[in-house]
Amino acid sequence: AQKVTQAQTEISVVEKEDVTLDCVYETRDTTYYLFWYKQPPSGELVFLIRRNSFDEQNEISGRYSWNFQKSTSSFNFTITASQVVDSAVYFCALEGGTSYGKLTFGQGTILTVHP
Amino acid sequence: SQTIHQWPATLVQPVGSPLSLECTVEGTSNPNLYWYRQAAGRGLQLLFYSVGIGQISSEVPQNLSASRPQDRQFILSSKKLLLSDSGFYLCAWSRDSYSGANVLTFGAGSRLTVL
Repeated sequence: AQKVTQAQTEISVVEKEDVTLDCVYETRDTTYYLFWYKQPPSGELVFLIRRNSFDEQNEISGRYSWNFQKSTSSFNFTITASQVVDSAVYFCALEGGTSYGKLTFGQGTILTVHP
Repeated sequence: SQTIHQWPATLVQPVGSPLSLECTVEGTSNPNLYWYRQAAGRGLQLLFYSVGIGQISSEVPQNLSASRPQDRQFILSSKKLLLSDSGFYLCAWSRDSYSGANVLTFGAGSRLTVL
């Protein structure tokens, strides 16, 4: 069985602070994919990143960065210099190698960035 | 470009009434289609997925059913709603690919309240 745990239910920061959202996963698949999605107040999920299990290279995209560590089964997401527009619910998700779009989502982390 | 439409956006229904949520995708052919549900304060749970017309797989036994009468149309239904059916329903699509790591593109969602 697959499982994704986002232990942080809610995080509150002040604008310009850095914030890290934690994600820990469990899977028996040797090939798998990890995702982060953002859900703004409008409700629609927005894709942020996809990572396959063979690529542990960290990735940076503007103020966003992701740290994938297979040894600890973690795929953490950091927002640098947070902005009010970053306020949203963030979901980490896992897809097994043969699960084709059947994602297992974490419970989500509500991020509130105060001005 | 591809777009996904969901309607209605909001629905309030009495217990025991029927339900029909519709999802259509434009700009692509033979997509994989998915229905996810997000209960209040929880993560997303996959309900149904479809790899082709008339092909529906159910992930969770429940009071709901899905149908795919046309290539780019996916319908979520119920004959008699329960209070526990309340939630935020998200339709998603991905390319028909067996290489894994299908990036799901989500619709704007349908918020259902059963009273």
